[in-house]
Amino acid sequence: GAGVSQSPSNKVTEKGKDVELRCDPISGHTALYWYRQSLGQGLEFLIYFQGNSAPDKSGLPSDRFSAERTGGSVSTLTIQRTQQEDSAVYLCASSQRTLSRGAGTGELFFGEGSRLTVL
Amino acid sequence: AQSVTQLGSHVSVSEGALVLLRCNYSSSVPPYLFWYVQYPNQGLQLLLKYTTGATLVKGINGFEAEFKKSETSFHLTKPSAHMSDAAEYFCAAGLTSGTYKYIFGTGTRLKVLA
Repeated sequence: GAGVSQSPSNKVTEKGKDVELRCDPISGHTALYWYRQSLGQGLEFLIYFQGNSAPDKSGLPSDRFSAERTGGSVSTLTIQRTQQEDSAVYLCASSQRTLSRGAGTGELFFGEGSRLTVL
Repeated sequence: AQSVTQLGSHVSVSEGALVLLRCNYSSSVPPYLFWYVQYPNQGLQLLLKYTTGATLVKGINGFEAEFKKSETSFHLTKPSAHMSDAAEYFCAAGLTSGTYKYIFGTGTRLKVLA
């Protein structure tokens, strides 16, 4: 597609339910990131995928959070047993290549986000 | 630890006035630096970036930023604010020392007064 696509754009769920958030990156982009944006906060790194390499999960806040990327393209972020503090906007971004001097622009292309509200 | 600091979570300027949004980074190796803008209910959009070369970088919508290594700063400016500039602005550092990570500031919400 022309840009990064995320779905759903809005999700309201009850505490304790599981949710899945989807990200479809720009075609050909090998790097994919998930961030969480809470009210008044900056962007909190969650997880990073690069090609077929093992993902960097160091930003996931708890074991209730998991993510996968199938076929090097679409990614799904799953939050199990949601809590009220999980309420936030979850942003996905993709990039053509990783950062290194002289190799690519390093620009991140963001989707419009999935707003999660846990009641 | 690397960090990006944006001074002022909220900035108000009058329409036509100078816009100055401050960003300082902390890194032992000068990073790539970015400014992103986020309009309500939208994702982040790149305004401009500094990688190498000229330290004064021009971006979209009349914005520019200057990389000052001695001050570890990358402040964003625009000579004359427009109502459409009202948005949230994020400064980010892309670390180049063998890692792919980006560090984002906490954002500055710009309000433009008529």
